[in-house]
Amino acid sequence: QSVLTQPPSASGTPGQRVTIFCSGSSSNIGTDYAYWYQQLPGTAPKLLIFRNDQRPSGVSDRFSGSKSGTSASLAISGLRVEDEGDYYCATRNNNLNTWVFGGGTKLTVL
Amino acid sequence: QVQLVESGGGVVQPGRSLRLSCAASGFIFSDYAMHWVRQAPGKGLEWVTVISHDGKNKNYGDSVKGRFTISRDNPKNTLFLQMNSLTTEDTALYYCTRGTAVRWFDYWGQGVLVTVSS
Repeated sequence: QSVLTQPPSASGTPGQRVTIFCSGSSSNIGTDYAYWYQQLPGTAPKLLIFRNDQRPSGVSDRFSGSKSGTSASLAISGLRVEDEGDYYCATRNNNLNTWVFGGGTKLTVL
Repeated sequence: QVQLVESGGGVVQPGRSLRLSCAASGFIFSDYAMHWVRQAPGKGLEWVTVISHDGKNKNYGDSVKGRFTISRDNPKNTLFLQMNSLTTEDTALYYCTRGTAVRWFDYWGQGVLVTVSS
């Protein structure tokens, strides 16, 4: 059981907007940044969002992140079939220099 | 371009040891903290350990503390993970990944599979 809680699954149809939530506590997300990673089938994870809402160069602006209190969210707009995969949130534990991942959310594009 | 290539995985019996390596290229290795993250078959990501850019500071997840040791050889651009007293719970794909203060886990290797089985 991860200290960061994500729904195990999410789904949408092409073109729709989907939001994935990540719930933590005051000892992790509440005091540090939220990061998001995308893992497409059979591949290594990829950094999608850093420092709550920043996108690395090359990441589509269809992906956006936000954080409020002890929760973070990842929104994907204009859903595409190629967005199918697993999405993980991550943060650091209370400045202890240890990190935690959420349990992951499997996104299905119907 | 940044490349991280893990090696050293395989099948090992419970209680035995294994040493993983991660060869880095395409960036100044000694400028970056490095992490190991693992993923059990069909499961999510689990952070394992981190080492600072100069090797002086290390931290471990609770599940591996006292059994795993992270180290690095900066002149050889290589990261290591010494895994002792392995259990079946350590069976996973092990990724090495780079980190900075701003961008955690910004590049990942392809992973190396460790299977602990009798």
